[in-house]
Amino acid sequence: AQKITQTQPGMFVQEKEAVTLDCTYDTSDQSYGLFWYKQPSSGEMIFLIYQGSYDEQNATEGRYSLNFQKARKSANLVISASQLGDSAMYFCAMREAFYGNQFYFGTGTSLTVIP
Amino acid sequence: GAVVSQHPSRVICKSGTSVKIECRSLDFQATTMFWYRQFPKQSLMLMATSNEGSKATYEQGVEKDKFLINHASLTLSTLTVTSAHPEDSSFYICSARGVSGRSNTQYFGPGTRLTVL
Repeated sequence: AQKITQTQPGMFVQEKEAVTLDCTYDTSDQSYGLFWYKQPSSGEMIFLIYQGSYDEQNATEGRYSLNFQKARKSANLVISASQLGDSAMYFCAMREAFYGNQFYFGTGTSLTVIP
Repeated sequence: GAVVSQHPSRVICKSGTSVKIECRSLDFQATTMFWYRQFPKQSLMLMATSNEGSKATYEQGVEKDKFLINHASLTLSTLTVTSAHPEDSSFYICSARGVSGRSNTQYFGPGTRLTVL
């Protein structure tokens, strides 16, 4: 089974609108971390936000927030007030066991912000 | 935030030559570094994990004699693609996880685009 599933290969959003990128995960570990990365056309992977499995509050970093629903095993990324520079590939990732080495990536979602 | 650099950012080489890619953590000590390979429009594929001062752990299907990894210090890991062939052409990305304070997050380098002619 896939550890990380991103079901939206491509998304479009109007500039200044909010957008939600879906991510579901599969693990039997109690301790794990969830990450979102942005990859623009330059190729660099840019860390956006992190959510620990024991964190009770949803993580937020500026315009990024992570909608963490543990029972549903989902960790959706919400980008508020989209900007043209947000157009990129977005990858959801998980690492099992707090200091575990294996880092599982989803297949990514390509986001295009329309002016 | 943390910075991970890679050098070179782009390399073109002839078939049969070896290419070395460097990955450095610039503002933190990286106890563990990871090497990924990414094909166009696909996700990252973990190739190997290296810990400072010990041998790298390779993922299944990755040839350890072809992709030599050396994690010589807490700030430097190198990936050498030996006897490169056109099928080795890809985007290679390193990632580093740090000692305390940065252990929860992996930071990625900007990637190296390798083209083997």
